[in-house]
Amino acid sequence: QQQVKQSPQSLIVQKGGISIINCAYENTAFDYFPWYQQFPGKGPALLIAIRPDVSEKKEGRFTISFNKSAKQFSLHIMDSQPGDSATYFCAASIGIYNQGGKLIFGQGTELSVKP
Amino acid sequence: DAGVTQSPTHLIKTRGQQVTLRCSPKSGHDTVSWYQQALGQGPQFIFQYYEEEERQRGNFPDRFSGHQFPNYSSELNVNALLLGDSALYLCASRLSGGAEGEQYFGPGTRLTVT
Repeated sequence: QQQVKQSPQSLIVQKGGISIINCAYENTAFDYFPWYQQFPGKGPALLIAIRPDVSEKKEGRFTISFNKSAKQFSLHIMDSQPGDSATYFCAASIGIYNQGGKLIFGQGTELSVKP
Repeated sequence: DAGVTQSPTHLIKTRGQQVTLRCSPKSGHDTVSWYQQALGQGPQFIFQYYEEEERQRGNFPDRFSGHQFPNYSSELNVNALLLGDSALYLCASRLSGGAEGEQYFGPGTRLTVT
C-alpha cells in the first residue's frame, strides 16, 4: 500500500513532442506528489509538485495532472527538448506539511528526446 | 544561497568496514533525510532527523545510524559494510512545517564496497 508504480520504464520522444509519464498509488493518505528529474551522477532535482486538492498544476513546459478518484497522476512535458533527456521519478508523501515527509519514489522513467 | 551539500563525493570501502557520510542542509532548512539509491532504482528512504532526533525510519537495519547536529547538519553511519550497500547515498533537506513542503536533494555520495 506504500508503493508508487511508475510507467513507462523508458520513453523515446522526438524533439518538440509531448512526453507523458504516469504514476499510480494505493494509499489515500498521501498528501503530496512531487516529480523529480535526475541526470546521471547527480542528485534528483525537484521539478514540480501537487497536492491532492488540485487537479492540475502547470509550471512552464511541465504539467502535473492529478486524478484523485483513480489514484493516478502524470507528468506532461510539452515541447520536449534534448536537454530534457534524463530519468524522471514520481514520488508521494504523507504529512509533508507537518512532521512527516518521507518520500516514496516510483521506479523511474528514462526519457530520451531525439533531435 | 547554498543548496544541500554532501561529502565526500566518492568513497571506496572494503566489506566489514565502517563509513561516515556528511550532509549540510540548504540554508534555512531544519530537517534532513537520507536516502539510498541503487543503480537503476528510485531512492529508498533510510531515516529523517529533526531537532537532533530520528523522527522517521525506513526499512533499513540497525547497521545504518545517523546523527543531526545543532547547526542542522547530519551524518549517516553504516557499520559492517556489505557488498549490497554499494549505492548513491542522497541527503535531502526541508523546512519542517513549511507551507509548500519542498524537499531538496544534494548531489549524493557514491559508495562502492569491495
